[in-house]
Parts: sequence; C-alpha cells; structure tokens
Amino acid sequence: AQSVTQPDARVTVSEGASLQLRCKYSYSGTPYLFWYVQYPRQGLQLLLKYYSGDPVVQGVNGFEAEFIKSNSSFHLRKASVHWSDSAVYFCAVSAGTGYQNFYFGKGTSLTVIP
Amino acid sequence: DPKIIQKPKYLVAVTGSEKILICEQYLGHNAMYWYRQSAKKPLEFMFSYSYQKLMDNQTASSRFQPQSSKKNHLDLQITALKPDDSATYFCASSHPGEDTQYFGPGTRLLVL
Repeated sequence: AQSVTQPDARVTVSEGASLQLRCKYSYSGTPYLFWYVQYPRQGLQLLLKYYSGDPVVQGVNGFEAEFIKSNSSFHLRKASVHWSDSAVYFCAVSAGTGYQNFYFGKGTSLTVIP
Repeated sequence: DPKIIQKPKYLVAVTGSEKILICEQYLGHNAMYWYRQSAKKPLEFMFSYSYQKLMDNQTASSRFQPQSSKKNHLDLQITALKPDDSATYFCASSHPGEDTQYFGPGTRLLVL
C-alpha cells in the first residue's frame, strides 16, 4: 500500500536554529517525492520535489531535502529557520505523471519562536 | 493574485442538504483535482479530470459529483450531506503529464 508517514505532528524551534522534518514513504515503483507548505489561510505551495539525480534537492527559501532510498525517507531540512517559516509542512509521493494520485502525510505543524 | 480560487472559504450545512464547492484555476492547466482533508487524516485524493473528462475516482462515493462547465472550472457537488463529510476540500491543477500539482486555499465544510 502507498503511504506517507510524518511522525511529528508538531515541531517547535527557536529562530536561527536548524530544522529537520521527517518523512517516510511506502511506495511500489519509483516515487516522485514532494514537500509542500501551507501558510495560514492559504493553499499548499510547492517547496521542492525529487525524482532522480542528486539525492539532496534544493528548494525555495533555503529548504532542502535528502532522498535516502535504503531508508525510504525524504526528510526536509533548513540550516537556520525564520519566524516566517511557521506553517504546516506536507510530504507527498506520487507516480509522477499527470493524473496520478498524490499520497500525503498528515503534515507537521512548525512553530518558530522569535 | 490567487491563481486557484475556491469558494466559499467556509461553509456550514445541515445533514441531508446539498452544496456545491467552486474551483477556478487561472494557470492555464488542463488537469484538475479534488482532495479532502478530514480531521487528523492526511489529504486524500478524490478525483482527477483532464480536458473536462474524469480520469480517476479513488475514494469518493456517488454523492460527490464533480462538474466541469469550463476547462478551468471543476466544481464539486455534494448531495445528502452527512456529518462525516465535514472536512477541508482542496482543489488542485496541473498540466497533464507534469509531476507537480498546484493547490487552492481550500473550502472548509462543516455538516451539522
């Protein structure tokens, strides 16, 4: 069965600290992996995506994620968070072509303390 | 300017009634989707449409009917509403064959 697990429902960090949000997936076939962010009262916005190549992929606003195939993981990282990074972060997996179902994790709510 | 518009933002309905959730996208995409996010559950894919034709229906009952009057519109009609239908419904769109979907802000539905 296809699924995505984000084990941390809530994460709180201080501004300037480093961040890692965890994501593990279960997917038969070659996965396309995504991180989306949802700011309050807004839609989901794409942060980054990975399909192949360098397992460390760079996204917007200084975010990056590392694909570790052996661990079925795609953790999101940021070296130094800002208060404006407070949002809900979703990890997702799909087959990568047009009409394909995205499988989402439950999301991790990040609070950055100024 | 928002590229994907969902209306209304909030909706309260009584059990047994019927509601229509509106979605319009201005990204020039030909594929559109509906997802549902219930409390404490991940977003669940419901439908995909391409060029105004249904491509996939994963989890939705027949009470949920997408309606596409224009290629940039994909409304969601829900009949015989139940309290379990309470959720946030997200519309998304993409170019067919592309890997990235773009999401609207969602409509939060509460069925009493």
